[in-house]
Formats: sequence, structure tokens, C-alpha cells
Amino acid sequence: ELKVEQNPLFLSMQEGKNYTIYCNYSTTSDRLYWYRQDPGKSLESLFVLLSNGAVKQEGRLMASLDTKARLSTLHITAAVHDLSATYFCAVDGGGTSYGKLTFGQGTILTVHP
Amino acid sequence: KAGVTQTPRYLIKTRGQQVTLSCSPISGHRSVSWYQQTPGQGLQFLFEYFSETQRNKGNFPGRFSGRQFSNSRSEMNVSTLELGDSALYLCASRRTSLSSYNEQFFGPGTRLTVL
Repeated sequence: ELKVEQNPLFLSMQEGKNYTIYCNYSTTSDRLYWYRQDPGKSLESLFVLLSNGAVKQEGRLMASLDTKARLSTLHITAAVHDLSATYFCAVDGGGTSYGKLTFGQGTILTVHP
Repeated sequence: KAGVTQTPRYLIKTRGQQVTLSCSPISGHRSVSWYQQTPGQGLQFLFEYFSETQRNKGNFPGRFSGRQFSNSRSEMNVSTLELGDSALYLCASRRTSLSSYNEQFFGPGTRLTVL
């Protein structure tokens, strides 16, 4: 059974600082997603990572995927208050479970002035 | 392009009742998946429908069921509601073509409260 673990689960950052959220998963997959969720809202797609070594960047966020290590990272550069939200990674089951996403627990990010 | 829509947005039911939630996918998307989000269990996959057929199912009891119509719209039904069914139910759609990322786009969700 595919398991996805994120850490940290809670992250309190000062504005301007850098930090990384880690996402480990237990079985082989070639498709990983990062989502953002604001309180009371739905999931907003941030990144789609499809292959080993994939790196995507959007603004202050950069995501990478290492399929051999079964690890993805979401790096935050020079955090700003607007980045405060919950971030989820999700791994596609692949094979007969293609399209079935298994989510991490989520990382609650709070950016302080 | 319109996003995924879900109705109703909020529902209050009592234990033992049943409920039907509706989801309209993005135009051209043929796959619809349902997820349950609770504070305790997080985000969990319920099932996926493609071309009116259930393609994948999560670990939920038979009280949870769904269907998909020929226009790709989907409904999920929960019978004999329990307090633990209180959750945000999210619907997601994807295109499923070979050339796409098959990224899942989520709707705004239906907040179900069971009293």
C-alpha cells in the first residue's frame, strides 16, 4: 500500500527566510503533485512532477522529484505572508491505481512578519 | 474555461439519512474522482469514474457509492449517514489523454455536517 509522509507538519517561518518541505513515499511512482489549500477552500494545483530529476519553479516556490530516493521537496525562497497555507504532496498510484492519488498529511505553513 | 463545480456547497443532515452530492467536471475531462477530507484522516480517495465505469475504489464501506453519467457529470451517494461522515467532499476531474499531464483539478467541495 502506498504511503506518503510529509515533514514538517507545521512550519512557522519569518518573512524573508528560506525553508524546505519534504515528501517521502513508499512505492515506485513516476507522478507527483503539489497542491496548496487555503482555510475553507479547495486544492489549488502548484506543480506536476513527472520524471526523475524534474524541477519546476513558480515564483518563490520550487519543487523537485527524485524517484530513486522516492523523495520530493518543495523549497520556499524568501517567504512572504501570502504563502501562508497548507501544502500537500500527492502521489499517483500508477498501474491499475493510475489516477488514484495518495496524499501526505499536509504541512501547515505560517509566515510571520 | 469553467472549473469543476460541485453542488450543493453545504449540507446538514442527521444520522441515518442519506445524501447525494453532485460534480460537473471541466469540459472535455472524462475522469471524475472523489476524495474525503477530515481533520483526523486527511485527504482520502473514495473512487474514480471514467466513461460511466468505476475504475478505482478506495477503502470505504459500501455505504459510499457513486456513478457517472454520459456527459461525465458524477454523483456520489452516502447512505445511512454516521457522525464520522462529516467532512469536506472534493471532486476532481482530469482529461486522461495520453498527451496531457493527467493533472487532477479540484472543485470547491461540499461541506457535509452530520448531526
